[in-house]
Amino acid sequence: DIVMTQTPLSSPVTLGQPASISCRSSQSLVHSDGNTYLSWLQQRPGQPPRLLIYKISNRFSGVPDRFSGSGAGTDFTLKISRVEAEDVGVYYCMQATQFLYTFGQGTKLEIK
Amino acid sequence: EVQLVESGGGLVKPGGSLRLSCAASGFTFSSYSMNWVRQAPGKGLEWVSSISSSSSYIYYADSVKGRFTISRDNAKNSLYLQMNSLRAEDTAVYYCARENLLGGMDVWGQGTTVTVSS
Repeated sequence: DIVMTQTPLSSPVTLGQPASISCRSSQSLVHSDGNTYLSWLQQRPGQPPRLLIYKISNRFSGVPDRFSGSGAGTDFTLKISRVEAEDVGVYYCMQATQFLYTFGQGTKLEIK
Repeated sequence: EVQLVESGGGLVKPGGSLRLSCAASGFTFSSYSMNWVRQAPGKGLEWVSSISSSSSYIYYADSVKGRFTISRDNAKNSLYLQMNSLRAEDTAVYYCARENLLGGMDVWGQGTTVTVSS
């Protein structure tokens, strides 16, 4: 199974400041079709998860442009350019390149 | 409106069974692979099972293989999870999630809670 490791597990951030979350996979996420099925999800308190980014860097519909994804192979990053109060929650990376699908442990974003 | 609504959760004794349902609306259900994802209290997300659009491909997490069965009825726009031989560690909120063609789970239900306890 592919293991997804996120760092940090907790990230206190000042409003208006940037935030960055790293996700590393135990093996390459490049699929045989050439795509890399790495996505990022946000889970606000008491809510189901919400898709933010798919295939490394593509913002899903309705996601603010302050969210961006990057990376390749086994190393990926989610960045928030300027954190807003509504960004509080837990962020997960997820790989859908290979069954069994796996999630990172989650990174809790909180405001300082 | 694109929507997924789970039901069927509840309190069950260890060794018991439960069947979860997920009703889809607002999109062509038969065109999408579907997933079950669970979240134990205070824990992260755990993928449980996937089923392709025509039920040709089915996958399970090792933790539920042999005990859980995923299925779907495209005529009824519904996804199911039959859970047998339940254990305390199966206690979680169970979400159904649509998998889009881009490899992301883009639509999620609100979840249904399963509690396994004597």
